[in-house]
Amino acid sequence: NAGVMQNPRHLVRRRGQEARLRCSPMKGHSHVYWYRQLPEEGLKFMVYLQKENIIDESGMPKERFSAEFPKEGPSILRIQQVVRGDSAAYFCASSRQGGFMNTEAFFGQGTRLTVV
Amino acid sequence: AQSVTQLDSQVPVFEEAPVELRCNYSSSVSVYLFWYVQYPNQGLQLLLKYLSGSTLVKGINGFEAEFNKSQTSFHLRKPSVHISDTAEYFCAVTLSYNTDKLIFGTGTRLQVFP
Repeated sequence: NAGVMQNPRHLVRRRGQEARLRCSPMKGHSHVYWYRQLPEEGLKFMVYLQKENIIDESGMPKERFSAEFPKEGPSILRIQQVVRGDSAAYFCASSRQGGFMNTEAFFGQGTRLTVV
Repeated sequence: AQSVTQLDSQVPVFEEAPVELRCNYSSSVSVYLFWYVQYPNQGLQLLLKYLSGSTLVKGINGFEAEFNKSQTSFHLRKPSVHISDTAEYFCAVTLSYNTDKLIFGTGTRLQVFP
């Protein structure tokens, strides 16, 4: 049973381009969480999705960022018109049930986004 | 607002020595507490968690942590570290009424030397 797969592992984008980060949850997991880690900071919650639904997006910047988790395929975190401040490591986690208390969530290796 | 503080950004230690990684939190409501470890080039892995009951929690790889409510701390300890324990360690909390979000500290880099 493969773990949470994130790709690409490293992504370089020029300012103004779009970045698409993909997260394939573990088999049987229908809950996905995205976190961002800026340099010298802890991981910050961005969005929580369950298949085809956004449950909590309170951590998402209001503009340029969007996330989806379709019925088939990976979850996608999309950043439009990237700026240098978007450079960070983006982590995805998945779980079988919702809530970190009830079930263990597994994290991917992250995607390191560099905006030049 | 809730926050997690890991005062030590780096902790160097020799192999077989004991280690303590400190974690303090701030919250006006009850929380659940977690420690995660991130080995080089890997995702975060759950080490242990405290939900209720005994304040001393044992986790994987010989680690344990003690919840101290009065000091709002959840320090991680290991009596004898190994080179393979070299990693980044993250303390995190969730709110008791909303366990869908983890609030992380900034992490502590444990470097074990031979």
